[in-house]
Amino acid sequence: KAGVTQTPRYLIKTRGQQVTLSCSPISGHRSVSWYQQTPGQGLQFLFEYFSETQRNKGNFPGRFSGRQFSNSRSEMNVSTLELGDSALYLCASSPSQGANTEAFFGQGTRLTVV
Amino acid sequence: AQKVTQAQTEISVVEKEDVTLDCVYETRDTTYYLFWYKQPPSGELVFLIRRNSFDEQNEISGRYSWNFQKSTSSFNFTITASQVVDSAVYFCALSEAGSGGYQKVTFGIGTKLQVIP
Repeated sequence: KAGVTQTPRYLIKTRGQQVTLSCSPISGHRSVSWYQQTPGQGLQFLFEYFSETQRNKGNFPGRFSGRQFSNSRSEMNVSTLELGDSALYLCASSPSQGANTEAFFGQGTRLTVV
Repeated sequence: AQKVTQAQTEISVVEKEDVTLDCVYETRDTTYYLFWYKQPPSGELVFLIRRNSFDEQNEISGRYSWNFQKSTSSFNFTITASQVVDSAVYFCALSEAGSGGYQKVTFGIGTKLQVIP
């Protein structure tokens, strides 16, 4: 069974640009969550999608958005990039949304904003 | 509010030493779940263990063991006879049921473990 796939793996963007990251969950998983990982802040929850609907949202500005498609694939978009957006963005999928559900993570997209 | 504290940001041990990674959590819920994940250099977090709030039994899996104590709100992770392959960042996480029954997860900042040969 294929794991969670994130594309691209690495990305360099300029301040002010926008970026779209993609995540393909494990087949059959309907829940997709996104996290931002930085050395100083650890893993910060961005949002979670289930059945194409955003169910939870973390404390990030509106420049961060996402969506989920009918095949459970998800994208996140960051507009008007800032230097502080440089981070590893991790996507995780789960078969359900229960609090007892472990997450399966992709290898992440490392975004560098210059 | 949920909070997970991993006070040790970096630990270095010599191979074959035992090491304990600390995790302290805060929650107002009576039902919650605690997780440990391992993040090797490749980047993806790997699930290690889940424990629910009603099960304080300690667990051992090979060289790994976990000590859950509700009285001190701690869920510590011990690696016995550490190996170089254990070098990674380890995350403790707390999961509660948010409004609507959806999962609400908070991760600790992570502990970077370096095992020196």
